[in-house]
Amino acid sequence: EPEVTQTPSHQVTQMGQEVILRCVPISNHLYFYWYRQILGQKVEFLVSFYNNEISEKSEIFDDQFSVERPDGSNFTLKIRSTKLEDSAMYFCASRDRKSNQPQHFGDGTRLSIL
Amino acid sequence: DAKTTQPPSMDCAEGRAANLPCNHSTISGNEYVYWYRQIHSQGPQYIIHGLKNNETNEMASLIITEDRKSSTLILPHATLRDTAVYYCIVRSYNTDKLIFGTGTRLQVFP
Repeated sequence: EPEVTQTPSHQVTQMGQEVILRCVPISNHLYFYWYRQILGQKVEFLVSFYNNEISEKSEIFDDQFSVERPDGSNFTLKIRSTKLEDSAMYFCASRDRKSNQPQHFGDGTRLSIL
Repeated sequence: DAKTTQPPSMDCAEGRAANLPCNHSTISGNEYVYWYRQIHSQGPQYIIHGLKNNETNEMASLIITEDRKSSTLILPHATLRDTAVYYCIVRSYNTDKLIFGTGTRLQVFP
């Protein structure tokens, strides 16, 4: 069964450094998402992306964050200057074109900021 | 905020059916109900979704009341591997984001 894959599974970065989290969505999916989950807290929406544009973003997704689909298969989340509070699990998701189709999630990248 | 209400925790004996309730009294006519689960700190796993008819797949059944104000996810024969946090989510028609609540922590015991 096709799945969303994320790399790396664990990323350790010094505060203030840039980090890029990578995702390969399910092929032929057209809608892409990033969510995050701080340890012990709820899963929170960050951003949705369709047709090479951000379609929706949350208050968390400030100017330090950006997303890109650099080629036909990858979808990336960049954090420009990481802060301690960016430490979390980051989940990528994708879905098919029909509006009621579910989002499918990857197993996440654990980001640890030191 | 989440538009659903779920009990914080439930227990179920292995091999028995697990019935997880969800209230969504403010649901609109064209809003779907989605169920996901999260095992430990893995990514949310899609289980099933529905609009108004009952649905069944290889993982579970979804029963939606006629007035659509509540639903029940049924795992027909729970196993230890079904121990997880289960989320009931109503996605608003005018947004694509999923709003996760705190879900129901299901503990399946031997």
